[in-house]
Amino acid sequence: AQKVTQAQTEISVVEKEDVTLDCVYETRDTTYYLFWYKQPPSGELVFLIRRNSFDEQNEISGRYSWNFQKSTSSFNFTITASQVVDSAVYFCALSGINSGYSTLTFGKGTMLLVSP
Amino acid sequence: KAGVTQTPRYLIKTRGQQVTLSCSPISGHRSVSWYQQTPGQGLQFLFEYFSETQRNKGNFPGRFSGRQFSNSRSEMNVSTLELGDSALYLCASSPTSSGSTDTQYFGPGTRLTVL
Repeated sequence: AQKVTQAQTEISVVEKEDVTLDCVYETRDTTYYLFWYKQPPSGELVFLIRRNSFDEQNEISGRYSWNFQKSTSSFNFTITASQVVDSAVYFCALSGINSGYSTLTFGKGTMLLVSP
Repeated sequence: KAGVTQTPRYLIKTRGQQVTLSCSPISGHRSVSWYQQTPGQGLQFLFEYFSETQRNKGNFPGRFSGRQFSNSRSEMNVSTLELGDSALYLCASSPTSSGSTDTQYFGPGTRLTVL
């Protein structure tokens, strides 16, 4: 069975601070995909990034960066110079070949509160 | 390109009733998946439809059902509503089926409240 653990339930930071959201996963699949989604108060899940299990290169997109480490089964997400608009719940998710790639297993989410 | 749309956005029902939720995928997307989000259980996969056929199903009772139409629009139905069915129901679409690795794009959800 697949499992995604986001140990941080809630994080509060002040604007311009850097913040890292942790994600640890478990899977027996050799081929799998990892995702991060953002859920603002409106409720819609907004896609942020997807990585496959064969690509451990870190990725940077503006103020966002992701660190994928297969050795520790982690896929952490860092927001640099956080802004109030970053306040949302962030979900890490996993899909694999055995469960069907369209079946996402989500973590419980981390609520990020960025205050001015 | 318009995103995934879900109707209605809010619903209030009473126990024992049934409800139908609708989802229109992104134009050109053929796969539709449904998820239930509750404070206690988080986000859980319900089922996936592709080419009008259910391709994958999560661990939910038979009261939860769905279908997909030839234009890829999908509906999910919950019969004999229980208080525990109160949740945000999210629909996601992707270009192809569960055999592919396409990213899923989510709609705004339908918030169902069962009284």
